[in-house]
Parts: sequence; C-alpha cells; structure tokens
Amino acid sequence: AQSVTQLDSHVSVSEGTPVLLRCNYSSSYSPSLFWYVQHPNKGLQLLLKYTSAATLVKGINGFEAEFKKSETSFHLTKPSAHMSDAAEYFCVVSEKEYGNKLVFGAGTILRVKS
Amino acid sequence: EPEVTQTPSHQVTQMGQEVILRCVPISNHLYFYWYRQILGQKVEFLVSFYNNEISEKSEIFDDQFSVERPDGSNFTLKIRSTKLEDSAMYFCASSPRQGMNTEAFFGQGTRLTVV
Repeated sequence: AQSVTQLDSHVSVSEGTPVLLRCNYSSSYSPSLFWYVQHPNKGLQLLLKYTSAATLVKGINGFEAEFKKSETSFHLTKPSAHMSDAAEYFCVVSEKEYGNKLVFGAGTILRVKS
Repeated sequence: EPEVTQTPSHQVTQMGQEVILRCVPISNHLYFYWYRQILGQKVEFLVSFYNNEISEKSEIFDDQFSVERPDGSNFTLKIRSTKLEDSAMYFCASSPRQGMNTEAFFGQGTRLTVV
C-alpha cells in the first residue's frame, strides 16, 4: 500500500527565513504526489502536485517541492517564510496509479515567528 | 473560482441520532469523495462515488454510513445512528476525472460533534 511519512509534526521558523517541510513516500509505481495546506477554519487547498514532467514543482504562494526518486522524498520548501504561511501542511499520495483515493500524511504544523 | 461548499460548518448531535452532511461539488466534476479527520489523527478516506454509485469505500464506511447524490448537484453523507467516535471533521471533495496526477478539490469541512 502507498503511504507518506511527514518527518516533523511541528516546524517553527522566523519570518523571512527558509521553510523546509519533509515528506517521504512509499509507492510501488510512479506516484502521484501532492501537497495540501489547511489554514485555521479553512478547507484543504492544493499547493502543488508532482506530474512527472519535472522533478522540481512550483506551487502557489512561492512554495516548491522536489521529487527525488532515489530518496523517495518530496520535500516542500519556500525561500522566505511569511506570517500568512502559518498553517498545517499535508503531503499526500494517490493510493493507486490510476485512481483518485488519496492517502494523507499526518501533517506538519508550520509556525512563523515575527 | 469554482469551489466545493459544505453545510453546515458545525453540527452538534446527540448520540444515536441521524445526521446528514451536505456538499455541493464543483459543477463539472464527476468523482466525489468523503474524507474525515478525527482530532489528532490523519485525514482518512471514507468513500468515493461515481456515476451514481459507490466506487470504493474504506473499512470505516460501514452500514451506518450512506451517500447519495439526490438531485445532480448535492452530495450527501448520512450517518444513521451516530456514535461518540464519529466526532470528526468531515471533508467533501470532488475531481473532474480519474487518473494520474488528478487532484481533489476539498470543501472547508463540517465539524461534527456527537454528545
């Protein structure tokens, strides 16, 4: 079965410093990978998705993720954190190669200090 | 921008009561889902729905749960006799198609509290 492991339950950064949220996946095929964000009292919003067209994926709000097959990783980064980035971030994999059922990681809560 | 909308945002119900959670998916989407997140736990898949029938369901989705799309726009999740452990945030989602790299679009969730 496909799975994702988010290595940090909480990450705290200062405003203006880089963000790194780590995710490792397990998949028996070429995976469909996503990062979603959830702000307080809001729904789950797609940040970016891996499409196999490029290993470095750009998303909304300046976030990027790099797919590294050799390391089975899909870490999320942003060069400079903003206060509005404080939220919970989920790394997600599609359970089947051609299906839509999503398997979520446990989530990483990002705190941004002023 | 089209979005998935869920009502109500909060629902408190007595144990043993029936509850219906409502969702309006994005209008041209064909695949519909319910997920839930118990406080402190992962978001977990409940059920997927396509062409007016369940296409997949998890072990959680037992006989107490049902889904329907009664009028071509709404997509509902019914819990017949709620239990304390059904307390969770329930997310509705929809997708335009099935296949690789197809994301789901989520609603803002309904927080269900069973007392």
